[in-house]
Amino acid sequence: KNQVEQSPQSLIILEGKNCTLQCNYTVSPFSNLRWYKQDTGRGPVSLTIMTFSENTKSNGRYTATLDADTKQSSLHITASQLSDSASYICVVRGGNNRLAFGKGNQVVVIP
Amino acid sequence: EPEVTQTPSHQVTQMGQEVILRCVPISNHLYFYWYRQILGQKVEFLVSFYNNEISEKSEIFDDQFSVERPDGSNFTLKIRSTKLEDSAMYFCASSTDTGELFFGEGSRLTVL
Repeated sequence: KNQVEQSPQSLIILEGKNCTLQCNYTVSPFSNLRWYKQDTGRGPVSLTIMTFSENTKSNGRYTATLDADTKQSSLHITASQLSDSASYICVVRGGNNRLAFGKGNQVVVIP
Repeated sequence: EPEVTQTPSHQVTQMGQEVILRCVPISNHLYFYWYRQILGQKVEFLVSFYNNEISEKSEIFDDQFSVERPDGSNFTLKIRSTKLEDSAMYFCASSTDTGELFFGEGSRLTVL
């Protein structure tokens, strides 16, 4: 059973619009959660890390939230740009230092 | 900015052939990883390496796979006898501790 579930699987948004990506996890115990951006054919690049005590963190136009009680995280993209077209992967690190990868949210930004 | 480099970027091979994928991790990193991503699927963990030995491996990492750090810089993944289902993007990653992973650009393996 996949320990990290992401939704929606894919979405198309107009340039300039906002969108929110969801990540639900069952990993326990929990160490931290990272959102990675993966451009097509490239390696994932870390956007932000959330630890147990953090509720929200921003990195430019990207804002991540974490609710450790409900085991949910979201990534909000503000004023999307064409370069935001990518797969966004939620990765949760458990207490045993193992990483659990989500399948990713595929975002396509159109002009 | 330091980065993880991988070679080759793309390799095409015949089924049953041996393949070696090479990685140069970031120089002060101590933990090294191989992941693979089959087209359209999620990134899957293969193996982690620390202090010159495998620290963890997944069920995917069977006897056909091996890793080596032959010198102070390279970290290699060898597939002894490739199968069609080994076709994937293979990512090398490194980290200073059990923190952020820095991924390479990947090596695309196509098995015919």
